[in-house]
Amino acid sequence: GQQLNQSPQSMFIQEGEDVSMNCTSSSIFNTWLWYKQDPGEGPVLLIALYKAGELTSNGRLTAQFGITRKDSFLNISASIPSDVGIYFCAGQENGQNFVFGPGTRLSVLP
Amino acid sequence: KAGVTQTPRYLIKTRGQQVTLSCSPISGHRSVSWYQQTPGQGLQFLFEYFSETQRNKGNFPGRFSGRQFSNSRSEMNVSTLELGDSALYLCASSLTASGNTIYFGEGSWLTVV
Repeated sequence: GQQLNQSPQSMFIQEGEDVSMNCTSSSIFNTWLWYKQDPGEGPVLLIALYKAGELTSNGRLTAQFGITRKDSFLNISASIPSDVGIYFCAGQENGQNFVFGPGTRLSVLP
Repeated sequence: KAGVTQTPRYLIKTRGQQVTLSCSPISGHRSVSWYQQTPGQGLQFLFEYFSETQRNKGNFPGRFSGRQFSNSRSEMNVSTLELGDSALYLCASSLTASGNTIYFGEGSWLTVV
């Protein structure tokens, strides 16, 4: 089935650095969701975006719904060790089921 | 408010056996979706249930089936297990059918030997 493109695939950063990742699609979406998944756990919803251009924050996390409606971005500021994990984006066309990106694996070096 | 609850968390089955996984959605949520997650394929949609009816189905063989009860709890069943069915099976709930916000449970880890 359709999958989103997510980049980077993985990244290693120093504690305290800012992180940026993005998700792109060939389809236009009405909703973008961002999740974090820790090893052995289910994905946890971080941020939900429902409108093109929308910018939403959740603590040190900020996500944006691209104005083309084909992309979304997630930024993490001042990374800490517990930010380690896999970050997934998910997009939804109107009334359809969500499709997911392959994930960005984040490692934070002390 | 309790989150999405999945049982069992871990299980090991032998090829050819069948397995049933259970999911209780967030209270008040009426839609339950199931996903298979593997390292190679990522998160793949299995099916969605709403009001005890299957609304959508992903591209999986007929060995994968599910159902939903009147209290919105859902079960999925995999018959004639194959080694390739080893995966994390995730349940997600939302308020409405094809809801625009879905919440995942912790998943059921299935290993087929």
